[in-house]
Amino acid sequence: DAGVTQSPTHLIKTRGQQVTLRCSPKSGHDTVSWYQQALGQGPQFIFQYYEEEERQRGNFPDRFSGHQFPNYSSELNVNALLLGDSALYLCASSPDRVFTDTQYFGPGTRLTVL
Amino acid sequence: AQSVSQHNHHVILSEAASLELGCNYSYGGTVNLFWYVQYPGQHLQLLLKYFSGDPLVKGIKGFEAEFIKSKFSFNLRKPSVQWSDTAEYFCAVRTSGSARQLTFGSGTQLTVLP
Repeated sequence: DAGVTQSPTHLIKTRGQQVTLRCSPKSGHDTVSWYQQALGQGPQFIFQYYEEEERQRGNFPDRFSGHQFPNYSSELNVNALLLGDSALYLCASSPDRVFTDTQYFGPGTRLTVL
Repeated sequence: AQSVSQHNHHVILSEAASLELGCNYSYGGTVNLFWYVQYPGQHLQLLLKYFSGDPLVKGIKGFEAEFIKSKFSFNLRKPSVQWSDTAEYFCAVRTSGSARQLTFGSGTQLTVLP
C-alpha cells in the first residue's frame, strides 16, 4: 500500500517565478492538506482540499493556491515567489472523518528560492 | 488562535536514559493531540495520538504520552531511549474550533549518544 507521494523532491526557483508542487494521497484517503515547514520550525497549515474544493485555509496569502483532482491528487501553486517561501512543503492525506481522522504525511518537496 | 509550545529545543541523552519531552497548548475547548517523529532523512511519522478516553496513550516503539487537561499538557515519555530514537519530535494539536488543521510546535531535536 503506497503512502503519500510528492513530486518533485527538490526544486530551485528564482524570485518572482511560479511553482507547482504535486501530491498523491494514500490509498483510501480523499482529503489532502498542505503544510509549509521552514528550517528549524514545525509545519504550518496552508490549506485543506476535499471534493475538489478548498475547505479550510491557514494564514497564508493568496499567492498560495491549490487544486484537487477527481482522483483526489492535489497541486499546490505559489506565485510571485519570495525568498521567504524557501521551505519544505508537506502534503498530508486523511479520510474525511471530522475530528477523528489522522493525517499521514508525505516526504515533502524542498523548495529553494534564490 | 491555538498555539503549541515545546520548551526543549534540543535534548541530549545517553542510551538507556529516560525521556520526557514537554508539550503545552493553548486552547480551552476540545482537542485532539498528536506526537509525530521525523527521523533523519525520513518523513513525518505518527508516534501516537489522543482523541478521547484514557488520558495515558501508548504509541509505537515504546513511547507513551499523558494528556493532563488541567495543565493543557501532552508530554511524551519513554523509559529507556535507544540510539535509534535520535530524531526530531513534534507535538501537534487539533481543536474543535479548527477541526481540519493541525497546529504544530516548533519541535524538539533528540540526540541519543551510544
